[in-house]
Amino acid sequence: GESVGLHLPTLSVQEGDNSIINCAYSNSASDYFIWYKQESGKGPQFIIDIRSNMDKRQGQRVTVLLNKTVKHLSLQIAATQPGDSAVYFCAENKAGPHSSGSARQLTFGSGTQLTVLP
Amino acid sequence: DAGVIQSPRHEVTEMGQEVTLRCKPISGHNSLFWYRQTMMRGLELLIYFNNNVPIDDSGMPEDRFSAKMPNASFSTLKIQPSEPRDSAVYFCASWEGTNEQFFGPGTRLTVL
Repeated sequence: GESVGLHLPTLSVQEGDNSIINCAYSNSASDYFIWYKQESGKGPQFIIDIRSNMDKRQGQRVTVLLNKTVKHLSLQIAATQPGDSAVYFCAENKAGPHSSGSARQLTFGSGTQLTVLP
Repeated sequence: DAGVIQSPRHEVTEMGQEVTLRCKPISGHNSLFWYRQTMMRGLELLIYFNNNVPIDDSGMPEDRFSAKMPNASFSTLKIQPSEPRDSAVYFCASWEGTNEQFFGPGTRLTVL
C-alpha cells in the first residue's frame, strides 16, 4: 500500500517577492525559538533566533516575529532568491533537566517547503 | 572550523547487522545531540549529552539503539541489530551553551 508521510506545507513564491513562513508552537513556557533552513541532502542550518522577551528580530533579509499570545512564530524573507528554496523548520526550546549548564532540547516543527519560482 | 563531522555519509546494510554512526562535535562545544529524520516522523531527538554524560535518552526508540560519548570530541550511535524501519537520516548536532545548535551533514542509513 501507499506509505503516508508528514503533510509538509508548501509555499511557492516568485523570485524577488517576499516570503512568509508560519509556525505554531505548543509550549507556552518556551523561552527561545529558532528557525533552521534545510537544503536537500544537507543538515539543518541556523537562520535566526529570538528569545521570548522580544517580539521581533531582524537579520540579513530575514525577520522573525513572535506572538506569544497565540503561540505563533513567523519567518519573513525579503526579496526571495532561488537559493532560498529549502525546507524551513521552526523549533522551540525546552531546557534540560539539570539546573545548571543544561543543554537546550529543541522541539522541531514539521517544516515548510519553500519553492522559489523564476 | 570544520563544523560537526559525521561518518559515514551513507550506509547501506542488511537487516540484523550492527551499524555504528560516528560524530565529531565542534571543538569547545559541551553538548551533543543525536537526531533522526524520516518522512513519517520528521526530525526527532534521540539522545543528548552534556559534558560527555547522557542527559536524556527518552527519544531512543528501543534497546537496539545505544549511544556513547567517551570523550569531548567523539560520539557514536549504534544500532544492533538493525531493522528496515531504522532507515533514516541521522544527524548529530553540537552546542556551545548559548544559542543555536550546529548540525552535521547527516548519515543516510538504509537497512535492506
